[in-house]
Amino acid sequence: SQQGEEDPQALSIQEGENATMNCSYKTSINNLQWYRQNSGRGLVHLILIRSNEREKHSGRLRVTLDTSKKSSSLLITASRAADTASYFCATVGYSGYSTLTFGKGTMLLVSP
Amino acid sequence: NAGVTQTPKFQVLKTGQSMTLQCAQDMNHEYMSWYRQDPGMGLRLIHYSVGAGITDQGEVPNGYNVSRSTTEDFPLRLLSAAPSQTSVYFCASASQGGNDGYTFGSGTRLTVV
Repeated sequence: SQQGEEDPQALSIQEGENATMNCSYKTSINNLQWYRQNSGRGLVHLILIRSNEREKHSGRLRVTLDTSKKSSSLLITASRAADTASYFCATVGYSGYSTLTFGKGTMLLVSP
Repeated sequence: NAGVTQTPKFQVLKTGQSMTLQCAQDMNHEYMSWYRQDPGMGLRLIHYSVGAGITDQGEVPNGYNVSRSTTEDFPLRLLSAAPSQTSVYFCASASQGGNDGYTFGSGTRLTVV
């Protein structure tokens, strides 16, 4: 069953604008990860945030985690056309094995 | 570094045929997984392995077999292909704990007719 649910399902913005995607999940997590998938390609790991962290930055990416609300957000600042892709959140639980449970993704379109 | 290599990239099977999707990684990762991706469904875990000789089922294991005889290789076998197995299959690997996230292969697009 899906653990994460991304919102919105699709997002269309202009270059230079910020893009925010949200992810909600159902059960307690060890960490939450965000991945990018360009059309027809494999997934690329973007950033990982642990359950005891609230915010993390990596370049133009900012991720927040609110474990009390079981939600996370991914902010991409100053978006570029090359950021056009699908973005997935994936959670890792406490089973002892770091398998990923994915949401259905947000499709981001950045227009020049 | 090749990372995670999946072969073949595309495959068409007839219903009832069997085949093996290959996955190899050269990063000495302990963890390896197989996912399938269907439109509107995200990625779902089929089988995973936490080391050579150790495998376990994921969310959608029916119709698939795996084995892990070496750290590098994690093949996925379709026993008797069905149209419901038409999908894009991804193999992924991670070091123990997945602290750096998973590295994904480029995928195998499988069509069962």
